[in-house]
Amino acid sequence: GESVGLHLPTLSVQEGDNSIINCAYSNSASDYFIWYKQESGKGPQFIIDIRSNMDKRQGQRVTVLLNKTVKHLSLQIAATQPGDSAVYFCAERERRGSQGNLIFGKGTKLSVKP
Amino acid sequence: DSGVTQTPKHLITATGQRVTLRCSPRSGDLSVYWYQQSLDQGLQFLIQYYNGEERAKGNILERFSAQQFPDLHSELNLSSLELGDSALYFCASSVSGTVNTGELFFGEGSRLTVL
Repeated sequence: GESVGLHLPTLSVQEGDNSIINCAYSNSASDYFIWYKQESGKGPQFIIDIRSNMDKRQGQRVTVLLNKTVKHLSLQIAATQPGDSAVYFCAERERRGSQGNLIFGKGTKLSVKP
Repeated sequence: DSGVTQTPKHLITATGQRVTLRCSPRSGDLSVYWYQQSLDQGLQFLIQYYNGEERAKGNILERFSAQQFPDLHSELNLSSLELGDSALYFCASSVSGTVNTGELFFGEGSRLTVL
């Protein structure tokens, strides 16, 4: 498939190791955050989300941490597998009245070495 | 498979031309979102429709327009194309008009190349 081809920060990890992908968000009024995974040639796929009243949420092999003090979000992937190789985007929902749109970060490319 | 269908997958055209990208949302989803993904800008929100009406507008150029039809499919029209419009255009859908659950389902995108 075709790659996104963005000039992205890259994280390279060994298969079986844990991965940590970081994201700084911009708006202190954002109340909802999401991590997406985009494999080559495909659209972004939802991984995990977290609301601003939480600081940690766990899924299957993934954990999202939210630090509102420094406006920082991280995605931890346990026991990284080759299938985890993809571009990972964080997204924040900027609250505007009753509406809110997702603003995506630029992404981090995760490469898993066998 | 997200259930969101986009056509065409690839499109090559010349500057000054006009193209239409089409999106069919997942069955039951009322909202359609359009995003542009270019090399240097990442995913940029363009516009959202909910049940046929425009709901939110992002960084959409005046040369671009969109609509959502009664059957809920949506079209993104790009006119007077410039080289810088070359990008991946993604459509996403969700049930509600507001992103509450992260359940934004993306299609596989339409790659537009302007020569």
